[in-house]
Amino acid sequence: DVKVTQSSRYLVKRTGEKVFLECVQDMDHENMFWYRQDPGLGLRLIYFSYDVKMKEKGDIPEGYSVSREKKERFSLILESASTNQTSMYLCASRTQEGVGTDTQYFGPGTRLTVL
Amino acid sequence: QKEVEQNSGPLSVPEGAIASLNCTYSDRGSQSFFWYRQYSGKSPELIMFIYSNGDKEDGRFTAQLNKASQYVSLLIRDSQPSDSATYLCAVNTGGGSEKLVFGKGTKLTVNP
Repeated sequence: DVKVTQSSRYLVKRTGEKVFLECVQDMDHENMFWYRQDPGLGLRLIYFSYDVKMKEKGDIPEGYSVSREKKERFSLILESASTNQTSMYLCASRTQEGVGTDTQYFGPGTRLTVL
Repeated sequence: QKEVEQNSGPLSVPEGAIASLNCTYSDRGSQSFFWYRQYSGKSPELIMFIYSNGDKEDGRFTAQLNKASQYVSLLIRDSQPSDSATYLCAVNTGGGSEKLVFGKGTKLTVNP
C-alpha cells in the first residue's frame, strides 16, 4: 500500500510566521504535489515536483515555495503566513512508470489556521 | 483552461438505490480519468480509474467513460449510508502531463 504522511494534522500559526509543511512518501514515487482545498473552490494545485530538486508552479503558487532535496520528501513553505492561507493542505504522490500508473495518492492533510 | 465540471449537489438517494454521479471535461485529448471519495475532514481516496471507453466495474462501483461525449460517470449500486461523501472527478489531460485536473466534487447523501 502506498503511504503518504504529512507532518501535522492541525497547525495554528500567526500572521507573518514562516511555516513549513512536510510530506513523506514511502513508494519511491517520482512525482509529488501540494494542493490546498477550500470550500466552494475545490482542490487547487500549488506546486509539484517531478523529480528531486525539480519543481514546477501550479495554479496558485503566490506566497508559497517548495523544496525537494530527497526523493521521498516534499516540503511546502509559506514564507510569511497570511490569514488567506488558512486552508486544508494536501500532499500527493504519483509514480511515473507508464500508462496506467498515473494515480495520485493523497496524504491525510494538514489543516492550517493562520491567526 | 482545461476544466472538469461536476454537479455540486447535494445528491440525495435512499439506502439501496443506485447513485449516479456525472462529470464532463473540456480537453478532448484527456487520457485517464479518476474517481476519488472524500469524507468530511478527510483526504481524497481513490475509488476507481478508467482509461478506455465503456464500463469498468469494481464491486458496487461502475465507472463509465464516453470520450466522444467527453463525460465520465460513477454509478454506486445498493447505496449505503457509509457511501455518503463528496465524490471528486479527476482527469489527466495526457501529453506527458503529471498533473490532474479536479472537479469541485458532488456531495452524496444516502438516507437510511
